[in-house]
Amino acid sequence: QAGLTQPPSVSKDLRQTATLTCTGNSNDVGNQGAVWLQQHQGHPPKLLSYRNNDRPSGISERFSASRLGNTASLTITGLQPEDEADYYCSAWDTRLRAWIFGGGTRLTVL
Amino acid sequence: EVQVVESGGGLVQPGGSLRLSCTVSGFTFTNAWMSWVRQAPGKGLEWVATIKGDGSETYYVDSVKGRFSISRDDAKNSVYLQMNSLRAEDTAIYYCATETMSNWGQGTLVAVSS
Repeated sequence: QAGLTQPPSVSKDLRQTATLTCTGNSNDVGNQGAVWLQQHQGHPPKLLSYRNNDRPSGISERFSASRLGNTASLTITGLQPEDEADYYCSAWDTRLRAWIFGGGTRLTVL
Repeated sequence: EVQVVESGGGLVQPGGSLRLSCTVSGFTFTNAWMSWVRQAPGKGLEWVATIKGDGSETYYVDSVKGRFSISRDDAKNSVYLQMNSLRAEDTAIYYCATETMSNWGQGTLVAVSS
């Protein structure tokens, strides 16, 4: 059960825009789309985006998700210090019948 | 407000067993797919198991097949993870998550060590 591919780290300046990517295949991201999760150190993950790229209630409009083929993306605009966290993507693999996670991207806001 | 509360973690010797519980409130539990996800110290998230909304099918990551079992009790709005033949590499925080990873609990720590 290979994982989704995410860059290990991304660094951006305050108030800039960060785009995080997540690459899978036609059985997972390309089929069902991906969910995006944010995790601050010492806390549980929090859902940022459903598979259809909608935001749950309470999630800032600065977070937006999209998908092109087998790659999902999370764009964070107007970066704030509190955006510094680990970001994970995950997708349901329809062939393996399993949730697949990416290794996570650590976002640093400079 | 949806609340997810895990319990049952602890320190266990290799080869031992534990049963984790997850109780959900503020959420329509019936017919909701439920999952367990774990996170080893300093590592990323790893999916462990999922149970369908009607309990008719269960799915597991290869590394726990034959050792772990997920089940549910809709009358108690609860899902369980029976963990047998525990190994050191099972040491992690175990989280319970609803549907498409929508809601998460605080997690319960499982430590496997002699």
